Amino acid sequence: NAGVTQTPKFRILKIGQSMTLQCTQDMNHNYMYWYRQDPGMGLKLIYYSVGAGITDKGEVPNGYNVSRSTTEDFPLRLELAAPSQTSVYFCASIPASGKLEFFGPGTRLTVL
Amino acid sequence: GENVEQHPSTLSVQEGDSAVIKCTYSDSASNYFPWYKQELGKGPQLIIDIRSNVGEKKDQRIAVTLNKTAKHFSLHITETQPEDSAVYFCAASKRDSNYQLIWGAGTKLIIKP
Repeated sequence: NAGVTQTPKFRILKIGQSMTLQCTQDMNHNYMYWYRQDPGMGLKLIYYSVGAGITDKGEVPNGYNVSRSTTEDFPLRLELAAPSQTSVYFCASIPASGKLEFFGPGTRLTVL
Repeated sequence: GENVEQHPSTLSVQEGDSAVIKCTYSDSASNYFPWYKQELGKGPQLIIDIRSNVGEKKDQRIAVTLNKTAKHFSLHITETQPEDSAVYFCAASKRDSNYQLIWGAGTKLIIKP
């Protein structure tokens, strides 16, 4: 198993641009999450999904959108990027144990 | 709102000594408390967790204690080693959520040789 993979690793965006952060897991986990981590802070939940076709907002969803057309993929879309979205983004999935223990390597996004 | 406070923000200990990181949570309905270790440039790694029906759990050099009455929980690392240097996060489960967690702000642990 490759686990949770994320692309790209790094990206610089200009204000107002849009992009999609990709997340894929090959462990057949139903639950998938998107977090952002600002410098010196813990993780904040952006969106999560409990299965294909089902998504829901977390703590900080504004400025983002997600979709879950398959169990494996959970892309995060940024529309009209803003400097406040400069952060490190982590995708994660949860196995049947219910423990949040599978994280992707992260995407470092800078909006200038 | 629900929150988790974590202290200290930075902890420097001599190699071989013990390290203790403390967290306080606000939601009395929280029943699951994991701890994560994050090394530079990597995602968080679950190192130990505890549920509200136990007061202490140990795994080799790492232990977690929980005081439900005071809404405190702590991470204890004994015989610290250089590879223990990292940022550690505590978290608490969120009321009525699908495995959602509220995270502390993190503790940077520095092990001095």
